[in-house]
Amino acid sequence: EIVLTQSPATLSLSPGERATLSCRASQSVSSYLAWYQQKPGQAPRLLIYDASNRATGIPARFSGSGSGTDFTLTISSLEPEDFAVYYCQHRGNWPPYTFGQGTKLEIK
Amino acid sequence: QVQLQESGPGLVKPSETLSLTCTVSGGSISGYYWSWIRQPPGKGLEWIGDIYYSGSTNYNPSLKSRVAISVDTSKNQFSLKVSSVTAADTAVYYCARDLGKYGSSWYGVDYWGQGTLVTVSS
Repeated sequence: EIVLTQSPATLSLSPGERATLSCRASQSVSSYLAWYQQKPGQAPRLLIYDASNRATGIPARFSGSGSGTDFTLTISSLEPEDFAVYYCQHRGNWPPYTFGQGTKLEIK
Repeated sequence: QVQLQESGPGLVKPSETLSLTCTVSGGSISGYYWSWIRQPPGKGLEWIGDIYYSGSTNYNPSLKSRVAISVDTSKNQFSLKVSSVTAADTAVYYCARDLGKYGSSWYGVDYWGQGTLVTVSS
């Protein structure tokens, strides 16, 4: 089973600042990695697919990078609505297609 | 606009079988993978398994002996059964659409149901 480790667990920043979230895979998942945003009481929302492609309707301040085992989600300038929990997920060669444990982005 | 809606009992007794159905509207079930994902209260997301519209399945090995996912293309529905449930199976259960891999890319899980809380308790 591929384990995805997200860091940090909690990130405290102010609106307007830059956020950098990390997701590390225990073995290569090529580019088969997605990022999701989840707000309280809501289902997750797809932000980034295939490591670096923004999903439909996602603002340009969200960007993804990486391949193999190391991935990054960057939010260039935080808006108030960006404070949420972020998860990465892989779809590598074999199931289970696990999620990371999440990074909580909170207002400083 | 594709919409997914979970349905099923919100309370299941220990040792019994949890059964949920996801109804897909606004689009066809054909051509995609259909996933079940759960989230225990206050915790992270756990991938349970998925089914291709043709019926082939993938399961999380941690649950594989207790889980079955099926699809009914005539009704545009897919279903989840988890047998021998315990309190550890208490969670919000989401159904979702996985676009799958095409060429060298994976397109992610793009549509999700609102989620349904299933509590295991006597």
